[in-house]
Amino acid sequence: KNEVEQSPQNLTAQEGEFITINCSYSVGISALHWLQQHPGGGIVSLFMLSSGKKKHGRLIATINIQEKHSSLHITASHPRDSAVYICAVRNEETSGSRLTFGEGTQLTVNP
Amino acid sequence: KAGVTQTPRYLIKTRGQQVTLSCSPISGHRSVSWYQQTPGQGLQFLFEYFSETQRNKGNFPGRFSGRQFSNSRSEMNVSTLELGDSALYLCASSSIRDRGPYEQYFGPGTRLTVT
Repeated sequence: KNEVEQSPQNLTAQEGEFITINCSYSVGISALHWLQQHPGGGIVSLFMLSSGKKKHGRLIATINIQEKHSSLHITASHPRDSAVYICAVRNEETSGSRLTFGEGTQLTVNP
Repeated sequence: KAGVTQTPRYLIKTRGQQVTLSCSPISGHRSVSWYQQTPGQGLQFLFEYFSETQRNKGNFPGRFSGRQFSNSRSEMNVSTLELGDSALYLCASSSIRDRGPYEQYFGPGTRLTVT
């Protein structure tokens, strides 16, 4: 079993829909990252969480440390949100910046 | 501030050759991490350098090595290339403080194709 599991692997939505991507992990962590990767490869960090909830524009990320679970929500989805969303964790027993990644969720938003 | 830069962006090599990839972190960032991304294995951690010292190393063979210079620029080297080394190689820089966690800023990646 991978240390970081994401669901769903693929998600297709219509423009305007509310989207949720889930991430579960099995280790103690000091932080969880949500990343966005567009075709071509570049990765953008959306959120870094160690507790609670963060919001940026139409994106909301939550984390429940006790349940080892995080969700990424996109409100009023738009075709430009189409990308791969990746959950990554920093193990609390590891020093430095080492991240362990989920397999990613391919999101397609149709107009 | 300029972002993380990686050179070259694309590279084609032949099996058995060696390759060196370069990463320049954001000015002031002293930590550089390297990652490999393949369709089969996803994103995997290679190693991290901080102040010219390797802090962490992932589960990759000794053919993969790296170093960091005094200006924080980092290079990674892969010797005796194999077809399976074809991948997108990403680096990320962080501004390490005494206490984590640390935000990471990713470069655009170098796409390596081994033929």
